[in-house]
Amino acid sequence: AQSVTQPDIHITVSEGASLELRCNYSYGATPYLFWYVQSPGQGLQLLLKYFSGDTLVQGIKGFEAEFKRSQSSFNLRKPSVHWSDAAEYFCAVGASLKTSYDKVIFGPGTSLSVIP
Amino acid sequence: KAGVTQTPRYLIKTRGQQVTLSCSPISGHRSVSWYQQTPGQGLQFLFEYFSETQRNKGNFPGRFSGRQFSNSRSEMNVSTLELGDSALYLCASSLLGGGYEQYFGPGTRLTVT
Repeated sequence: AQSVTQPDIHITVSEGASLELRCNYSYGATPYLFWYVQSPGQGLQLLLKYFSGDTLVQGIKGFEAEFKRSQSSFNLRKPSVHWSDAAEYFCAVGASLKTSYDKVIFGPGTSLSVIP
Repeated sequence: KAGVTQTPRYLIKTRGQQVTLSCSPISGHRSVSWYQQTPGQGLQFLFEYFSETQRNKGNFPGRFSGRQFSNSRSEMNVSTLELGDSALYLCASSLLGGGYEQYFGPGTRLTVT
């Protein structure tokens, strides 16, 4: 069964520092992978996605993520964090190319706080 | 393109009542999924509709139901509300549905008293 873990429940970083949010997944085939961000009281916004090809994917707001098949990981990174990046971040895994009836499974989320 | 819209944004109901939430997906998207988000349980999948058919269903009691219309708009209904149904209900639309990328609405905050 698909599953997603985000080992860090809460992370605090200083503004301007680099950021890495961890994500591990369990899936039998090559998954679709996503990162979403949620500001308080809002819906989720898609930051980036991986379907195939280059394992380093660029997203919006200066974020990038790297797919590592050997480690079943899809970690999110940003070289310099801004105060406005404080939010909840969700990693998610979806169906492979061979099925269209799976659903997207979301991780528990990592809450990011940014110190000015 | 306009994004996903959800109405109402906020709702206060009394235990035992029923409620209907509405979701209008992005134009051209035929898949609509519903999620319940609470601080304790996180994001939980309720169900997905694609072209008016329910394709997937999460592990929720029968009090939670939904439907999708021919214009892809979707409604979610919760009958006999319980205090534990207080949550943020999120709707997401997708072009292809299933495990593909989803675009979320702002949510409906339901409070049951």
